[in-house]
Amino acid sequence: AAGVIQSPRHLIKEKRETATLKCYPIPRHDTVYWYQQGPGQDPQFLISFYEKMQSDKGSIPDRFSAQQFSDYHSELNMSSLELGDSALYFCASSLGGIPEQYFGPGTRLTVT
Amino acid sequence: GIQVEQSPPDLILQEGANSTLRCNFSDSVNNLQWFHQNPWGQLINLFYIPSGTKQNGRLSATTVATERYSLLYISSSQTTDSGVYFCAVLAGGFKTIFGAGTRLFVKA
Repeated sequence: AAGVIQSPRHLIKEKRETATLKCYPIPRHDTVYWYQQGPGQDPQFLISFYEKMQSDKGSIPDRFSAQQFSDYHSELNMSSLELGDSALYFCASSLGGIPEQYFGPGTRLTVT
Repeated sequence: GIQVEQSPPDLILQEGANSTLRCNFSDSVNNLQWFHQNPWGQLINLFYIPSGTKQNGRLSATTVATERYSLLYISSSQTTDSGVYFCAVLAGGFKTIFGAGTRLFVKA
C-alpha cells in the first residue's frame, strides 16, 4: 500500500539559510499535518491543512510557512534557519472524516 | 489545553514478559492513537482507538473515553518491540497533542 512520502530524507543547511521540505500524502487523503521532533522529545504539532486550506496551527515559528497544493502535496518552508531548528520533521496524512494519521519517514534537518 | 500523560516513562522488560502502558488525558477527546517509534525513528501507527478495545497480534489497546484513559498491552514482548510508545489525541480540529512517551527496552 502507498505510504506518505517525504523529501528530502536528510538535509544539511547553514544558519540563516532557507529550507523546503516536501510531503506527498497517501492517495485520496485530504488532510496533512506537520510535526517537529527534537532529540529525545515527543513530536510537536506545527500546522495542518484540510482540503488545501490551513486548518489548525500549533507551535510553528513565524519564520516557517506551509501550504497544501491542488494535488494535495504540502511544503514546509523554513527561513533564517537557526541551530535550534535541527530536528526530525514529520508529515502525516489522514482522510478528514476519520482522522487516523499515517506518518511519513521524516526529514532529518541539521543546521550548522 | 488538553494535557496528555503517559506512564511509566521508562520500562525494561525481559523478552517474553507482558506489560501495560497507560495514557491519561485531561479532557474529553474523540480521537486517540497509539504509535511506536522504532530505534530508526519511524513512527508506526499501532491503533486508532477513540473508544473500546482492539487487538492486533500480541498488541491490544483499550480506551475508556468517559474516564479519560487508554491502555496499551504488549504480551510476550520481543526485542523488536523496543522503542518509544506514544499516545496522541486531537485537541480540537486537527491539532494533535502527543504524550511524552514510554521508552521500552526489551532484553534478550
